[in-house]
Amino acid sequence: KNEVEQSPQNLTAQEGEFITINCSYSVGISALHWLQQHPGGGIVSLFMLSSGKKKHGRLIATINIQEKHSSLHITASHPRDSAVYICAAPEETSGSRLTFGEGTQLTVNP
Amino acid sequence: EAQVTQNPRYLITVTGKKLTVTCSQNMNHEYMSWYRQDPGLGLRQIYYSMNVEVTDKGDVPEGYKVSRKEKRNFPLILESPSPNQTSLYFCASSLRSSGRYNEQFFGPGTRLTVL
Repeated sequence: KNEVEQSPQNLTAQEGEFITINCSYSVGISALHWLQQHPGGGIVSLFMLSSGKKKHGRLIATINIQEKHSSLHITASHPRDSAVYICAAPEETSGSRLTFGEGTQLTVNP
Repeated sequence: EAQVTQNPRYLITVTGKKLTVTCSQNMNHEYMSWYRQDPGLGLRQIYYSMNVEVTDKGDVPEGYKVSRKEKRNFPLILESPSPNQTSLYFCASSLRSSGRYNEQFFGPGTRLTVL
């Protein structure tokens, strides 16, 4: 079973700061999901990536499959980015079972 | 509007009283899954389904049942709920039977309290 660890668990930033959240996993995978959970509880998928880098607006996700590590970056952070960010690793064989990190609580202050 | 719906959104019940949480998606997705979220434990997979009549256990299936008789619906059944099943539950779906390379769409969540 894959173990997924995220760091930091909690992160407080000032508006405009560059933010990095890290995700490490114990078993080799071929893809990784990044999710965002809003303060109201809803979850949305931000990225699914299997190599390199993906960018969507101010969010950038990178993955290094060999090093078993992924990062989520937020540039020019804003209070509306305050949320819990969760990474999830699919089981290698079928991809149908997901193991989740515990999440990173991000608070961006104005 | 493409979406995953869950009902009810909030439920307070008592130990042993059977309940069903419904999940429905309108995107013709093959894959559907149930998760529970608990403080300090994060999200954990309960059951998943790769297509109609195909279901399999996730990491924490004890005390739960599921069925997939139609592509759009994937109900979660608690035959005899217990207080340790108090949690926030999410249903999710994705296009293909393998979740590996597919974005997952999440329902709004069901907050269940078992007294």
